Amino acid sequence: RKEVEQDPGPFNVPEGATVAFNCTYSNSASQSFFWYRQDCRKEPKLLMSVYSSGNEDGRFTAQLNRASQYISLLIRDSKLSDSATYLCVVPNAGGTSYGKLTFGQGTILTVHP
Amino acid sequence: DAGVIQSPRHEVTEMGQEVTLRCKPISGHDYLFWYRQTMMRGLELLIYFNNNVPIDDSGMPEDRFSAKMPNASFSTLKIQPSEPRDSAVYFCASTQGRYHGYTFGSGTRLTVV
Repeated sequence: RKEVEQDPGPFNVPEGATVAFNCTYSNSASQSFFWYRQDCRKEPKLLMSVYSSGNEDGRFTAQLNRASQYISLLIRDSKLSDSATYLCVVPNAGGTSYGKLTFGQGTILTVHP
Repeated sequence: DAGVIQSPRHEVTEMGQEVTLRCKPISGHDYLFWYRQTMMRGLELLIYFNNNVPIDDSGMPEDRFSAKMPNASFSTLKIQPSEPRDSAVYFCASTQGRYHGYTFGSGTRLTVV
């Protein structure tokens, strides 16, 4: 299993749709997880942190399943402005250095009118 | 807070020239990371520092790449000599620790011709 693996995408959904991304990770010792959003030609920006079973912030819900070693991101009522690449991020994913985060390849989301 | 500051934003250089990228982390952040992003390989960690000390440089491609952090508020990534395959976006990021997400700078888009 790769250190961090995301849904290949791309996802193309209409406005108002609900969309979910999954991400699996290999290091069972990983504790905290993150979802980042990256707009075209911009830097990645922190979207949500996931420390326990899940986290909700408005239309966004992140869930963690430690037994199956995956995290998910659910976006409800999609907006055009949600179009971006979503990166799954796992700390110490390779079981190596403290403080290191490993980024997935990203899932591209396009929300159309 | 001004965030993580990188310079230059864009750099175009000829093969064989030396390139120096600069980064100022957020004050109080003990960790500093250098990432490289390309379409083919996504975000790759090159090196990271904790309290100005290099912790993991296993991602540095080869001896042409070097990084320094002479103090808590400044780091450089140097490529000498540069090659066309080094063309990428180079991001610097900082964080307080592994339970916090990273804050990225705006990146340096490097083109080696």
